Amino acid sequence: KAGVTQTPRYLIKTRGQQVTLSCSPISGHRSVSWYQQTPGQGLQFLFEYFSETQRNKGNFPGRFSGRQFSNSRSEMNVSTLELGDSALYLCASSLNTAQETQYFGPGTRLLVL
Amino acid sequence: AQSVTQPDIHITVSEGASLELRCNYSYGATPYLFWYVQSPGQGLQLLLKYFSGDTLVQGIKGFEAEFKRSQSSFNLRKPSVHWSDAAEYFCAVGAKAAGNKLTFGGGTRVLVKP
Repeated sequence: KAGVTQTPRYLIKTRGQQVTLSCSPISGHRSVSWYQQTPGQGLQFLFEYFSETQRNKGNFPGRFSGRQFSNSRSEMNVSTLELGDSALYLCASSLNTAQETQYFGPGTRLLVL
Repeated sequence: AQSVTQPDIHITVSEGASLELRCNYSYGATPYLFWYVQSPGQGLQLLLKYFSGDTLVQGIKGFEAEFKRSQSSFNLRKPSVHWSDAAEYFCAVGAKAAGNKLTFGGGTRVLVKP
């Protein structure tokens, strides 16, 4: 089975721009979660989608948004980029509940200049 | 609110020696506990998880962890470290009510000396 894939792997943007990151979960997985990883704040939960609905949300500003498609692929969007948005963005997929293993993708490294 | 503390930012261990990584959590109910490993430039890989039952959990790559409710701890151990174990290790807590949201500790970077 193919693992979780994320595209693009690397991205450079400038302040004020917007960006869209994509995550394709493992086949059959319906839950996709997004995390932001930075040296200063560590790993922080952004949001989780299940069956095209946002099921859980972290403490990030409204500039961070996401969606999930009927094939469970998910995208996250960050508008009006700030320097502090530079981070590794990880997505994780699982079947459904918290007791099932979450499999992480390799991440998208975003650099905001 | 859930929180996770990993007191050691860096640990250096000799190859073949034992390793113990500390993790303390704060959560009102019975937590779901996880250990993940991250190699440079990679995503996270699950080493082991605890939901209920036997408090000593066996994982992949020879790792084990013990849940101690009285100490709010979930320490990770490996009897004999290999050079390939050099990586960053993250403890995380989840809960049934939180869906798939995980709260991570700050991580412990493990260096292995030859």
